[in-house]
Amino acid sequence: DAGITQSPRHKVTETGTPVTLRCHQTENHRYMYWYRQDPGHGLRLIHYSYGVKDTDKGEVSDGYSVSRSKTEDFLLTLESATSSQTSVYFCAINPSGAGNTQYFGPGTRLTVL
Amino acid sequence: AQSVTQLGSHVSVSEGALVLLRCNYSSSVPPYLFWYVQYPNQGLQLLLKYTSAATLVKGINGFEAEFKKSETSFHLTKPSAHMSDAAEYFCAVSRNAGGTSYGKLTFGQGTILTVHP
Repeated sequence: DAGITQSPRHKVTETGTPVTLRCHQTENHRYMYWYRQDPGHGLRLIHYSYGVKDTDKGEVSDGYSVSRSKTEDFLLTLESATSSQTSVYFCAINPSGAGNTQYFGPGTRLTVL
Repeated sequence: AQSVTQLGSHVSVSEGALVLLRCNYSSSVPPYLFWYVQYPNQGLQLLLKYTSAATLVKGINGFEAEFKKSETSFHLTKPSAHMSDAAEYFCAVSRNAGGTSYGKLTFGQGTILTVHP
């Protein structure tokens, strides 16, 4: 258990509504990531953080924003949800960056109707 | 840029048979390579990783993988499949470029392993 929780675990929302997913860690690790998982695509990086208030875009960042005001929390926001953002979202943490294992949370299943 | 290709989205084996899941990578710098496993409705769990030490890496649950630079491959094997090995497996690559990569992973598309009795 890497001490990662994600909330909510399941969410159904409507197109055009804002949605915020939360990732919480208890280990105070520096690096945190948000991925989305879709069949046939594996996991794709949305955004990542390398410290409080230090974030950057991944390969599929359009339509998403993130914030990290505390070490333990990394928030992913869909400003205006679209059906193409229906997916399973995973948060991951990494103690010290390159070469180190990423530990994954249990995931959030988001459905946008 | 880096990329990962997993050959075969579905692999089916009989219990007791050899498991071979293929992974080829592309990276402009020496890579770190990982295999993760995902059981239904769960997050990803690390099986093993290559970080430029021994080229043959042993992981959990009897799995191992060999880094072959000349073939840009990191195939996952297990001598004898067990029913509990049924899951989805992901190969991933990270840049071995000091701290500048921030540990970001690029994943392959995944391979679903089915084990028949």
